Amino acid sequence: GAGVSQSPSNKVTEKGKDVELRCDPISGHTALYWYRQSLGQGLEFLIYFQGNSAPDKSGLPSDRFSAERTGGSVSTLTIQRTQQEDSAVYLCASSLRNTQYFGPGTRLTVL
Amino acid sequence: GQNIDQPTEMTATEGAIVQINCTYQTSGFNGLFWYQQHAGEAPTFLSYNVLDGLEEKGRFSSFLSRSKGYSYLLLKELQMKDSASYLCAVLDSNYQLIWGAGTKLIIKP
Repeated sequence: GAGVSQSPSNKVTEKGKDVELRCDPISGHTALYWYRQSLGQGLEFLIYFQGNSAPDKSGLPSDRFSAERTGGSVSTLTIQRTQQEDSAVYLCASSLRNTQYFGPGTRLTVL
Repeated sequence: GQNIDQPTEMTATEGAIVQINCTYQTSGFNGLFWYQQHAGEAPTFLSYNVLDGLEEKGRFSSFLSRSKGYSYLLLKELQMKDSASYLCAVLDSNYQLIWGAGTKLIIKP
């Protein structure tokens, strides 16, 4: 079956602009996760959804970051007023039980 | 706090065997995962251990000792395509996944 998909695959934006990143999880997966990974670094947890609710928002680095999930499926991560330090690969993962399956990521570059 | 430790980098020779260790201190334990991540790609699931002992899956095996807070990933008959980062992650008592920083494995011919 289809895996996790993310769009766009690459996004180049100017400092101060807003960006929206999209994640389509595996059909039927109830949990959805967003991570950030800078070059050569480990995974940084951002936010987790169980269904449409986000019980854990502790990883969001600032109030410029927000995420929503509608219909228990698609999720959007929004970064407002982007800064150069936001440049990274943003990974989405979904799971039914414990094993997380990752999408290909969105590479965000803020100039 | 919660902590996952694994070596930053390891080097091994094609055809050989390598063991990547992972130690953890977490709030509770509900299983340990190993993922493989090739450069520029997303992590892919390799193994999940929740009980003590060795789980074998082809050339890859994963071992867990809950009393020691320790796991290892064993890769046999190394191939050049095994060059990647290997991530250890633990599911804590809240079923949150705590990630290690990853071990970069370099395979030399």
